This record gives sequence, structure tokens and C-alpha cells, in this order.
Amino acid sequence: SAVISQKPSRDICQRGTSLTIQCQVDSQVTMMFWYRQQPGQSLTLIATANQGSEATYESGFVIDKFPISRPNLTFSTLTVSNMSPEDSSIYLCSVRQVNTGELFFGEGSRLTVL
Amino acid sequence: DAKTTQPPSMDCAEGRAANLPCNHSTISGNEYVYWYRQIHSQGPQYIIHGLKNNETNEMASLIITEDRKSSTLILPHATLRDTAVYYCIVRAVDRGSTLGRLYFGRGTQLTVWP
Repeated sequence: SAVISQKPSRDICQRGTSLTIQCQVDSQVTMMFWYRQQPGQSLTLIATANQGSEATYESGFVIDKFPISRPNLTFSTLTVSNMSPEDSSIYLCSVRQVNTGELFFGEGSRLTVL
Repeated sequence: DAKTTQPPSMDCAEGRAANLPCNHSTISGNEYVYWYRQIHSQGPQYIIHGLKNNETNEMASLIITEDRKSSTLILPHATLRDTAVYYCIVRAVDRGSTLGRLYFGRGTQLTVWP
């Protein structure tokens, strides 16, 4: 399976600031996705990170709040902009492996906004 | 739209089989049934998937009814480390497009007790 590294693993941030989360995969993957998991909740898909083009956002998520980059096949970033306490969540990167088509998840980045 | 229904919680004695049900009455012909689990504070882990035939791997067995409207994940000999939230997901498999993205429901919290 693909090995997915996320940075930071956790952070505490002040209201109004922005934080960029990185996702690095050890092999080329076709698809990369970003999820959010709010405390005590299930996972919610934020967007699909497309290589070399704008991300595809799910209903309720917008580029101004969650800008995403994917400069190559193994790396993506998610920025949480102008944070508020409601953005306190675990943010997870997921990738779709080329050879198997299966989806794997990183360990997540736990964000706390004060 | 998760498209699946699972009981919110179940428990099981260590060493016994854990049978986790899932209803997916609106499943389409091109949609597979996937199972993931999430151990506390970790990213989701792939378990197994199937289309219409029963499947088995080193982790679990998946039994899908003939009409494909429900399925059961079986952990044959549950251990304490199997305590986790188990997610049943239906997913269209398409090698090229964003149809491969996953939508999570609330899952079943399985607790394995000694």
C-alpha cells in the first residue's frame, strides 16, 4: 500500500490565521483527496486535488477557505484560511493507488483553533 | 450522501466472530461495497471490498446478499485491537474520474471486550 505522510501531525492555531497542511506519498497516485473529521463526527470529503489544475470542491466547501495545490503526482497541500474554532478538526489526505485503484489514508493532521 | 445504514454500535467478546451489518438498498449496478475501519486517532484503514460475490482476505470476510441490498462484514476471531469504528461505503469504481471518491456515513463503533 502507499505510504502517506502528513505534516504537521497536529497544531494549535490562533483565530484568524491560516495553516497549510502537506501530504506526501511515496509513489505516484492517480487521485488525491482531502477530508475533514470534526470532533466525534465521521469523515467529510472537502475536495479532489487535481494535478496541474484547480481542485474540485464538494458542496459546502470553497476555494477561498480551503485552497488546495497539487503540483505533481506525489504531493498536495491544503490550506485552512482565516481559521475559526469551528475549523478545529482532523484533516486527512487520501490517495488512490495507480496499480490497485484502492484508496489509502494518511494519519491526519489534528488542528485546534483557539 | 452516504447511501448506507449501519447500527451505531455493537460489541463482541474477544475470540468470537463479529458480524457487522450494512444496508445499501439503493446501490447501483456499478457500485462496489467497501469496508474501512478507523481506530481511535488514526486514519481509516481499508479492510475489504466486493461487488456481488462473497470475498475473504486475511482480515475479514464480506457476505453480500443476492439482491445486493445488504452486506455483512465478518471478523472471524475478534481481538481487542479490532475495537474501532467500521464504515460501510458504496462506491462506483472508475479508473479515470472523481467517481472513485468515498462518502462516509457514521459507521458502527465495534467494542471488543475481554
